[in-house]
Amino acid sequence: DTAVSQTPKYLVTQMGNDKSIKCEQNLGHDTMYWYKQDSKKFLKIMFSYNNKELIINETVPNRFSPKSPDKAHLNLHINSLELGDSAVYFCASSQDLTDDNEKLFFGSGTQLSVL
Amino acid sequence: GEDVEQSLFLSVREGDSSVINCTYTDSSSTYLYWYKQEPGAGLQLLTYIFSNMDMKQDQRLTVLLNKKDKHLSLRIADTQTGDSAIYFCAERGGYQKVTFGIGTKLQVIP
Repeated sequence: DTAVSQTPKYLVTQMGNDKSIKCEQNLGHDTMYWYKQDSKKFLKIMFSYNNKELIINETVPNRFSPKSPDKAHLNLHINSLELGDSAVYFCASSQDLTDDNEKLFFGSGTQLSVL
Repeated sequence: GEDVEQSLFLSVREGDSSVINCTYTDSSSTYLYWYKQEPGAGLQLLTYIFSNMDMKQDQRLTVLLNKKDKHLSLRIADTQTGDSAIYFCAERGGYQKVTFGIGTKLQVIP
């Protein structure tokens, strides 16, 4: 049973296209995140949702739009893809980082290649 | 703002100890974490330390925290080839935000 699952694992697309990455967690967590890992392995938070509400929105182009239909899902839609969007995108979840000892559970990543 | 720094690469021989270092800037950090990423996989939590602790030991792993210098280290005793991976230092600051370092690639030579 995969705790945090994201699809697809690999995504190859042309510049200018619109694409979505889906994420689901079956841990009953309240908070979900999207992180971007670039080619140098630098991992940077993009968004965080708590119970379907946006709580963290880093300086990400508005071509990126997260959508949380329910607290178990957080999808990432990207419009007008650019070469610089090529990276590995990780979904993560946590129960509530205001509690003690809470940690992030990560999905296995979606490798996006924009040609 | 939050910033977490760590060296990019460490190479050790199998059986030796590995020490991975990290510095952070957010003095309000409550928890500090070490995550491990194996090739083609997501990050997995290895261990964590609360900011009012100096040391935490968990089997082969020892975490040292110097809060005054904002320095965190991870020591892996008796390093094995299966320990080869990228190790990320991370700190939990405000707004439920976890900030990661750039990751240290550990190479274990047989």
